[in-house]
Amino acid sequence: GAVVSQHPSWVICKSGTSVKIECRSLDFQATTMFWYRQFPKQSLMLMATSNEGSKATYEQGVEKDKFLINHASLTLSTLTVTSAHPEDSSFYICSARLAGTSPPGETQYFGPGTRLLVL
Amino acid sequence: EDKVVQSPLSLVVHEGDTVTLNCSYEVTNFRSLLWYKQEKKAPTFLFMLTSSGIEKKSGRLSSILDKKELFSILNITATQTGDSAIYLCAVHLLHNAGGTSYGKLTFGQGTILTVHP
Repeated sequence: GAVVSQHPSWVICKSGTSVKIECRSLDFQATTMFWYRQFPKQSLMLMATSNEGSKATYEQGVEKDKFLINHASLTLSTLTVTSAHPEDSSFYICSARLAGTSPPGETQYFGPGTRLLVL
Repeated sequence: EDKVVQSPLSLVVHEGDTVTLNCSYEVTNFRSLLWYKQEKKAPTFLFMLTSSGIEKKSGRLSSILDKKELFSILNITATQTGDSAIYLCAVHLLHNAGGTSYGKLTFGQGTILTVHP
């Protein structure tokens, strides 16, 4: 149980286009989902915290108008990279926290990630 | 600013060796410290530590937290090639922003472990 999926697993797009990435909790409800970005051989950087039914909370330095996050249901959050540029090429990972729990760890589950390449 | 620092950044050993990975932190509103293993895709959870001095163990892996000195170590004994991965340390902290509190994970840079046969 506690599986998180992401779609697509990889995407190549042209500079200037927008790309939407989906994060789904398949067998549990997640009131909170997190979006991370990871550059090669670097660690995960939290981009934003997404709560179902409310606006996402963005980390300092992350442009909210460029990285649009929608968390419309307890099982789905989406990240849209608008007007993508080559420097947005990265590995994007989401995680979902099981509803009703507070600390992470066993109760926060990571998706498999989406590799984005902007040409 | 909250900081999590891991060392070494990379490590190359041979099968059977024992390795110790370090994680130090300076954060406000500490809740817990977590270790993850990342191979090609998403990180997989290893341990969550909340109390000082209590060792957590799973097979050949063990970890301990020192909340006074603000660090944790992850030990892997009798390493195998399948242990090759990036090991990530993360601190769960309570973050206050704009009148709202929420928990978030701050990750260290990771340690790239390579185990040769």
